[in-house]
Amino acid sequence: EAGVTQSPTHLIKTRGQQATLRCSPISGHTSVYWYQQALGLGLQFLLWYDEGEERNRGNFPPRFSGRQFPNYSSELNVNALELEDSALYLCASSFDRVKYGYTFGSGTRLTVV
Amino acid sequence: AQSVSQHNHHVILSEAASLELGCNYSYGGTVNLFWYVQYPGQHLQLLLKYFSGDPLVKGIKGFEAEFIKSKFSFNLRKPSVQWSDTAEYFCAVINTGFQKLVFGTGTRLLVSP
Repeated sequence: EAGVTQSPTHLIKTRGQQATLRCSPISGHTSVYWYQQALGLGLQFLLWYDEGEERNRGNFPPRFSGRQFPNYSSELNVNALELEDSALYLCASSFDRVKYGYTFGSGTRLTVV
Repeated sequence: AQSVSQHNHHVILSEAASLELGCNYSYGGTVNLFWYVQYPGQHLQLLLKYFSGDPLVKGIKGFEAEFIKSKFSFNLRKPSVQWSDTAEYFCAVINTGFQKLVFGTGTRLLVSP
């Protein structure tokens, strides 16, 4: 079974640009979660998509947005990049989050210079 | 708001030493609890989870955790660590009312050979 796949693995952008990160969940998983893992800050919840709808978002500014496509894959967009957006962005998917938790992808390392 | 506390941010041990990482959560209802591990350069993996039943849960690689409801704790243990256990460990909690897993800030474990 293929795991959660994320692309690209690494992304370097300059301040003010836009970044697009992609995630394909495990087949059969309808929920996708995005987390930001910045150095020393643990896992900060960004967004949750389920069945194509945004269900919940974390305490991040509106320039962090995303969507989920009919095939349940997802995209995270970060506009007007700032230096502090540099982090590892993790995508996770789940079928039954209460029983089984999440399965994580390997992440996209975003560096803003 | 629900929260998870991991009081040990950094732990350094020698090989063969015993490990106990603390995890406390703030929620009075029924919860499911998880420990995830992130080895250097790898994605987050599920180490073990508590759903119901025996409060002593055994996971992969010799890890175990004990759910103590009265103390709101779910501490991770291993009798004898190996160099390969060097990683970051995250505790997480969810219940049916949560919309997402809530993670602790993580504990970085360094095992010296």
